[in-house]
Amino acid sequence: QLQLQESGPGLVKPSETLSLTCTVSGGSISGSSFYWGWIRQPPGKGLEWIGNIYWSGTTYNNPSLKSRVTISVDTSKDQFSLKLSSVTAADTAVYYCARTFLYTEKGEMAKIFFDHWGQGSLVTVSS
Amino acid sequence: QSVLTQPPSVSAAPGQKVTISCSGSSSNIGNNYVSWYHQLPGTAPKLLIYDNNKRPSGIPDRFSGSKSGTSATLGITGLQTGDEADYYCGTWDSSLSTGVFGGGTKLTVL
Repeated sequence: QLQLQESGPGLVKPSETLSLTCTVSGGSISGSSFYWGWIRQPPGKGLEWIGNIYWSGTTYNNPSLKSRVTISVDTSKDQFSLKLSSVTAADTAVYYCARTFLYTEKGEMAKIFFDHWGQGSLVTVSS
Repeated sequence: QSVLTQPPSVSAAPGQKVTISCSGSSSNIGNNYVSWYHQLPGTAPKLLIYDNNKRPSGIPDRFSGSKSGTSATLGITGLQTGDEADYYCGTWDSSLSTGVFGGGTKLTVL
């Protein structure tokens, strides 16, 4: 069955760039009708949507993070990645990757839901 | 402060029914589809409901979803101790152009 696995450093220094990769197995990113995305959860707090990418490269990012977020995809490796620049302690969180159904067309009801999740990767921002 | 408002906690006895509310606005719940997730301690969230009221394969019919106006509700019947978890609602906000979640509700099965 479809599985997602996050990988990357667990500790990042303030002002540096957080980098995570999600590897998809049991399915292919290419040609899929799904988006692939990132959600984070600070310790003891709720979920925050970061952004999504389609296999073709189309992205949707959270406006509150947009200038710091880059999401990219490598279909040859069935991987997608997150880069978050200029991190602070407020970016300390468990970062999840997830397969996403995302539909937004003007004039129609939008939908977004996450049906397969990775196990999560704790990233701590500290010097 | 979350865009969607959920009660911080709810509780009920085993075998009973509980509902969890999720309140939003016309830019999110009022005009878009809602999904629900539960998150057991130390694990990733799991999709329970999508498109307001549809259950993914493998989710028992004890879980149900509904939507009315700018609010959505998750219902759980026949409560089990294994249902103790945090529950989150989610949707798209058309004004913000972003996915949004509720702050989460902790369910305690007494």
